[in-house]
Amino acid sequence: NAGVTQTPKFRVLKTGQSMTLLCAQDMNHEYMYWYRQDPGMGLRLIHYSVGEGTTAKGEVPDGYNVSRLKKQNFLLGLESAAPSQTSVYFCASSPRNTIYFGEGSWLTVV
Amino acid sequence: AQTVTQSQPEMSVQEAETVTLSCTYDTSENNYYLFWYKQPPSRQMILVIRQEAYKQQNATENRFSVNFQKAAKSFSLKISDSQLGDTAMYFCAFLRFGGSEKLVFGKGTKLTVNP
Repeated sequence: NAGVTQTPKFRVLKTGQSMTLLCAQDMNHEYMYWYRQDPGMGLRLIHYSVGEGTTAKGEVPDGYNVSRLKKQNFLLGLESAAPSQTSVYFCASSPRNTIYFGEGSWLTVV
Repeated sequence: AQTVTQSQPEMSVQEAETVTLSCTYDTSENNYYLFWYKQPPSRQMILVIRQEAYKQQNATENRFSVNFQKAAKSFSLKISDSQLGDTAMYFCAFLRFGGSEKLVFGKGTKLTVNP
């Protein structure tokens, strides 16, 4: 009964380093999303996918790349991390009428 | 584009009392969903309640209920018999049918339940 699982939960990066956040869902949902949440703000959509092999840009896509090679996984990549990318990242999946969230990944870029 | 506005950045209520959180939204769509999510200090996003726009009946989930006014584009959340565990950020969100199914959030209301 895992739902949406994000890996890693916490990470500290140096400016310029790269990393990948992994999101896995076991509910066979078509839609998956990556959001970021900054202090005093709601969640903002980075990228999303409407099915295996598809991705699209959201509200704040710059500095991020994504891939959806398998239906159950949605990867978020930072090619060259910047301090402005310090945030809490949420993955979510949807059966088209409700959004289910992972527990969040805390990323700090120093 | 859809927008969601929560006009109350912070609210407080005494334990066992009732509190109402406000949310308005702007859309030209006719079919959509509205949600309230709770985010406690753990930062987990917890679905509180969901409302389908085509349903006139207001959704309820135990102590949580909504007042959905489609013409006014208003979607308020009422919490009855407030409990200390209700202390959290509450986000109103909009999801339209079809297409990319992107969820649009308001900026949230910080609710504190006082003993």
